[in-house]
Amino acid sequence: AQSVTQLGSHVSVSEGALVLLRCNYSSSVPPYLFWYVQYPNQGLQLLLKYTTGATLVKGINGFEAEFKKSETSFHLTKPSAHMSDAAEYFCAVTKPSGGGADGLTFGKGTHLIIQP
Amino acid sequence: DSGVTQTPKHLITATGQRVTLRCSPRSGDLSVYWYQQSLDQGLQFLIQYYNGEERAKGNILERFSAQQFPDLHSELNLSSLELGDSALYFCASSGQGQGGYTFGSGTRLTVV
Repeated sequence: AQSVTQLGSHVSVSEGALVLLRCNYSSSVPPYLFWYVQYPNQGLQLLLKYTTGATLVKGINGFEAEFKKSETSFHLTKPSAHMSDAAEYFCAVTKPSGGGADGLTFGKGTHLIIQP
Repeated sequence: DSGVTQTPKHLITATGQRVTLRCSPRSGDLSVYWYQQSLDQGLQFLIQYYNGEERAKGNILERFSAQQFPDLHSELNLSSLELGDSALYFCASSGQGQGGYTFGSGTRLTVV
């Protein structure tokens, strides 16, 4: 079975400061890892994903994440927070399989608050 | 517009009733996934269909069922509804290969 732990249900940073959202996963096989963002009353938007290859993954809106197998982590970072980054962020894991991937297992989410 | 269409956007119904949620996947995607998002349970994977066949089951209640039709759209049927079934229900689709999931904007179900 797979699982995801997101440390901190709420994270508050000042505008312009570094954003760091933590995600640790558990998987018995090499995982596919994802970060999604959800704005109020909206669906989930993919920020970035790791499947294979380079462990540092760049996504949209200036976000990036690094897959660290030894630490079973996939933390999300952004060098400089913007007010528009305030949202709920979800880390997710799945395992690759033939004919397409299986369903995602999500973490409980981290609510990012940006202080002016 | 993500390319995944869910209808209706909002649904209010009474306990004990049955509802059907509809999802049209992104063009070319063969897999459809259903998820439930609630305050207490978070985002839970319910079920996956691939090209018309059930592929994987998650935390789906026996009162819930789904199917995928030949045109690849999918329906999630929720019956004997309870107050606790009130949630956002998301559909996602993906094509072959490296786990690219696209989510719809969801159906907000309120059971009163």
